[in-house]
Amino acid sequence: EVQLVESGGGLVQPGGSLRLSCAASGFTFSSYSMNWVRQAPGKGLEWVSYISSSSSTIYYADSVKGRFTISRDNAKNSLYLQMNSLRDEDTAVYYCARSGRGDYWGQGTLVTVSS
Amino acid sequence: QSALTQPASVSGSPGQSITISCTGTSSDVGGYNYVSWYQQHPGKAPKLMIYDVSNRPSGVSNRFSGSKSGNTASLTISGLQAEDEADYYCSSYTSSSPWVFGGGTKLTVL
Repeated sequence: EVQLVESGGGLVQPGGSLRLSCAASGFTFSSYSMNWVRQAPGKGLEWVSYISSSSSTIYYADSVKGRFTISRDNAKNSLYLQMNSLRDEDTAVYYCARSGRGDYWGQGTLVTVSS
Repeated sequence: QSALTQPASVSGSPGQSITISCTGTSSDVGGYNYVSWYQQHPGKAPKLMIYDVSNRPSGVSNRFSGSKSGNTASLTISGLQAEDEADYYCSSYTSSSPWVFGGGTKLTVL
């Protein structure tokens, strides 16, 4: 059974940093590209970042470019999102999603940016 | 990276069919056959319902179907059931980024 479990969310002050993790199981993690997608409270889905299976190709949404860094460790079956210079508008549930079509999603982890 | 355009809400009675549209441009929906649809119930993660315009993942009811004409994709749900009440999002590959989502459509089953 494919499972994606996010962790690392929490309350952080504006300008602060946070590192999210996504633990994958039930499939060959190293064969799939991965994404981070977020959803602000009461709002729609927003794609955040993409990383290819070998980490050779990475993309970011304009809203996070220069502040967020996506990475993965295929040996640990894990995906990461390092978030720096956090802003109020980064408050959201962050989901990791498998592949370019988002065929599996985690349950999400809530990031709250507030003073 | 502009969002795709969806109606804010649609509604239908049990047993009826409804269609949700998703309008983009030739740089996303119209340019690639990589449109997906997701169902999201309150407090839950999105679930893939349709991929590559019209393909259903294993386990998704055949009451759900997808299509595309020009820059507009559509999700049709036939034989509407109470459990279909949820938010629905379309997404597409784009020429400038791997993924863009629509604003979401709230489906109400009357």
